[in-house]
Amino acid sequence: DVQMTQSLSYLAASPGESVSISCKASKSISNYLAWYQQKPGEAYKLLIYSGSTLQSGTPSRFSGSGSGTDFTLTIRSLEPEDFGLYYCQQYYEKPLTFGSGTKLEIK
Amino acid sequence: QVQLKESGPGLVQPSQTLSLTCTVSGFSLTSYSVHWVRQHSGKSLEWMGRMWSDGDTSYNSAFTSRLSISRDTSKSQVFLKMNSLQTEDTGTYYCASGPYYFDYWGQGVMVTVSS
Repeated sequence: DVQMTQSLSYLAASPGESVSISCKASKSISNYLAWYQQKPGEAYKLLIYSGSTLQSGTPSRFSGSGSGTDFTLTIRSLEPEDFGLYYCQQYYEKPLTFGSGTKLEIK
Repeated sequence: QVQLKESGPGLVQPSQTLSLTCTVSGFSLTSYSVHWVRQHSGKSLEWMGRMWSDGDTSYNSAFTSRLSISRDTSKSQVFLKMNSLQTEDTGTYYCASGPYYFDYWGQGVMVTVSS
């Protein structure tokens, strides 16, 4: 199975700052990577797929980059509503696998 | 508006079978895949399997021997059945739609395996 590693389990930042969340695959997955946000009491939300394509409705302050094994989700100019958990997921091969999540707290 | 909603028992006894239903609206099961994903408390997500739009299924080999996914297109429902439950199967179970990533998710249903 492809192991997805999110090295940072926790991140705190202030509104207006920019943050980057990294995700590393145990083998090359091309750009078959998605990012999700989960907030308490809400359903998971797809933010980005194909490594860098914004899902409809995802604010433009979110961006994704990377290919191969290393990927980054960047949030520019943080808004208070951006707190939550962020997960990466590969869909290069079965079984589909997820990172362990990064919790973003707003200072 | 796309919606998915999971339903099922909150408590299952060890060695018994878990039966969950995912009821969808806003799209047809013959057009989009529906997946089942579970999350152990405080831990990461685990893809369990998928019902393809053509009715075929695909499973995570970690569950193949005890997992079955089926559907009733007339009721817009996808079903998960997993037997031989153990305490390690406790968690939140989600259904989600999408090709290989998940455009829409249900809110999840918590399942506890305990006697």
